[in-house]
Amino acid sequence: DAGVIQSPRHEVTEMGQEVTLRCKPISGHNSLFWYRQTMMRGLELLIYFNNNVPIDDSGMPEDRFSAKMPNASFSTLKIQPSEPRDSAVYFCASSLGADYQPQHFGDGTRLSIL
Amino acid sequence: DAKTTQPNSMESNEEEPVHLPCNHSTISGTDYIHWYRQLPSQGPEYVIHGLTSNVNNRMASLAIAEDRKSSTLILHRATLRDAAVYYCILRGVFGNEKLTFGTGTRLTIIP
Repeated sequence: DAGVIQSPRHEVTEMGQEVTLRCKPISGHNSLFWYRQTMMRGLELLIYFNNNVPIDDSGMPEDRFSAKMPNASFSTLKIQPSEPRDSAVYFCASSLGADYQPQHFGDGTRLSIL
Repeated sequence: DAKTTQPNSMESNEEEPVHLPCNHSTISGTDYIHWYRQLPSQGPEYVIHGLTSNVNNRMASLAIAEDRKSSTLILHRATLRDAAVYYCILRGVFGNEKLTFGTGTRLTIIP
């Protein structure tokens, strides 16, 4: 079975540009999570959706970040305008939604903002 | 969320058992103990979880203290592929889908 699929795997862009990260969750999973990992802050949750509805976006750093889930099989995380401090690895994860169900992570998108 | 405490790093010889400790003295009665690991350049990977009883699966075993204030992840026979950062995470039973990652334990396997 296909796991969580993220694209692109790597993104290098200049400061001020718009960046869009994409995620396809595991089919049948109804919860989707976006995480960010940096050396300084470790792994931190940005936002999560349940049944395509955003439940908790308290981790979204600022208005430059936005996330959408238009349907059960696709989500995007957008940064506009991007800044060098946004450089990080961004992970998407999905789960069956029950509180104790494991989350399945994608391989991440390594983002570098120059 | 209740906090967990793990050693920053551990080393183990290949093909020997590894015991990774986790302290969670403020755990509540409804908190599950979850373990994830992150191999180099990959996303975190679920390993095991439990509530009160010891648990076994194909990857590892989880031993939970009787008072639930600590737990130990056991890799029965470490291989080089087990070199990773291991995270011990508490999750409440209801309304708490998100995972709060700490700094974890970096496990090095010595050939």
